[in-house]
Amino acid sequence: EAQVTQNPRYLITVTGKKLTVTCSQNMNHEYMSWYRQDPGLGLRQIYYSMNVEVTDKGDVPEGYKVSRKEKRNFPLILESPSPNQTSLYFCASSLKPGPRSYGYTFGSGTRLTVV
Amino acid sequence: TQLLEQSPQFLSIQEGENLTVYCNSSSVFSSLQWYRQEPGEGPVLLVTVVTGGEVKKLKRLTFQFGDARKDSSLHITAAQPGDTGLYLCAGENWGGGNKLTFGTGTQLKVEL
Repeated sequence: EAQVTQNPRYLITVTGKKLTVTCSQNMNHEYMSWYRQDPGLGLRQIYYSMNVEVTDKGDVPEGYKVSRKEKRNFPLILESPSPNQTSLYFCASSLKPGPRSYGYTFGSGTRLTVV
Repeated sequence: TQLLEQSPQFLSIQEGENLTVYCNSSSVFSSLQWYRQEPGEGPVLLVTVVTGGEVKKLKRLTFQFGDARKDSSLHITAAQPGDTGLYLCAGENWGGGNKLTFGTGTQLKVEL
């Protein structure tokens, strides 16, 4: 089944403790992206990757890091989480954004709470 | 910063009624996508429209992209309880990051 898999689904952590949220897709998609969803603010892009070893900042990159060493994986790293990073996070992928794009496939989400 | 405003923000209707959700921006987009999101799950793509004036139908759902590619609408005919969910429009611009900008969302509830 074609899908984007995120882990974990739920995570409660303490301020300052480094964490990684994994994202993997099995569709050979070139483009991957991370979003956070907050009440009243909607979905905002954190980072995106056009292809392996190519990453760039989205709208709200502060406090986050990403890497794209392999085409299928795009982990989100929080080096020193803070309570304002408590949110619902989504990973998404797309074959190749453009005229022949079929849209984006989203993961099921990771609900992160930082206390 | 490109913004996409959706209206209405909330909509509660009875089964069988028709409804229209609007997605408006002052910016031009290369494509406009519509997603539906269930609580606790990721958005699921419904449709992508690319050409100004384009109309696409998906069973009881009709999507239209504005002529100037700045706005879009979603019309649901004879709504059913299974249509309940958060509807999101998202504008995409090809090139320079292919950023997907999401709208503010419309929460739809269809009651029996």
